[in-house]
Amino acid sequence: GENVEQHPSTLSVQEGDSAVIKCTYSDSASNYFPWYKQELGKGPQLIIDIRSNVGEKKDQRIAVTLNKTAKHFSLHITETQPEDSAVYFCAATSSGSARQLTFGSGTQLTVLP
Amino acid sequence: DSGVTQTPKHLITATGQRVTLRCSPRSGDLSVYWYQQSLDQGLQFLIQYYNGEERAKGNILERFSAQQFPDLHSELNLSSLELGDSALYFCASRGRQENTGELFFGEGSRLTVL
Repeated sequence: GENVEQHPSTLSVQEGDSAVIKCTYSDSASNYFPWYKQELGKGPQLIIDIRSNVGEKKDQRIAVTLNKTAKHFSLHITETQPEDSAVYFCAATSSGSARQLTFGSGTQLTVLP
Repeated sequence: DSGVTQTPKHLITATGQRVTLRCSPRSGDLSVYWYQQSLDQGLQFLIQYYNGEERAKGNILERFSAQQFPDLHSELNLSSLELGDSALYFCASRGRQENTGELFFGEGSRLTVL
């Protein structure tokens, strides 16, 4: 099955700086890579996703890049704000007839004012 | 508000006991997923149902079972509870696209086993 590794596990940045979270996956058949944000006391919420037919996708201050050859993808947050503080999870589809998401272990992002 | 409802929000019980967690998916969503989130752990996939049928199993223990009812709500049953079962249990639902698209998560049921 799929295995997703996520780094770093914790990340602190100054407000206004950029943050980058990286993930690698193992299954070359995976073709869908979402990112979820989990605020304290809440369930994860999708913030951006990318499919394997594109290399980059942007949505305002967040962007995701995908390198299928190297099997890694990254989340980039620019101009960070205190409300960006949360746990971020990357994920990838697994192969097989039932393609459920495999999540990374999460990154606790803290934006310091 | 994701539209996914989980009850109870908090549950404290003793080792050896049995509990049932309930999930109501978003209106119209056919797929229900259960995930376990332990302290400092990511989201571990447990099991998926689609329109009442089991579709996929992840790292679900034999002591755990689940089902999805005709009205599409789902229940996760945890029995012979151990201290290590203490975790947040999330339910998520997805629309008619069974295997792609956004997962909508509930706020979770926090289980504490003493």
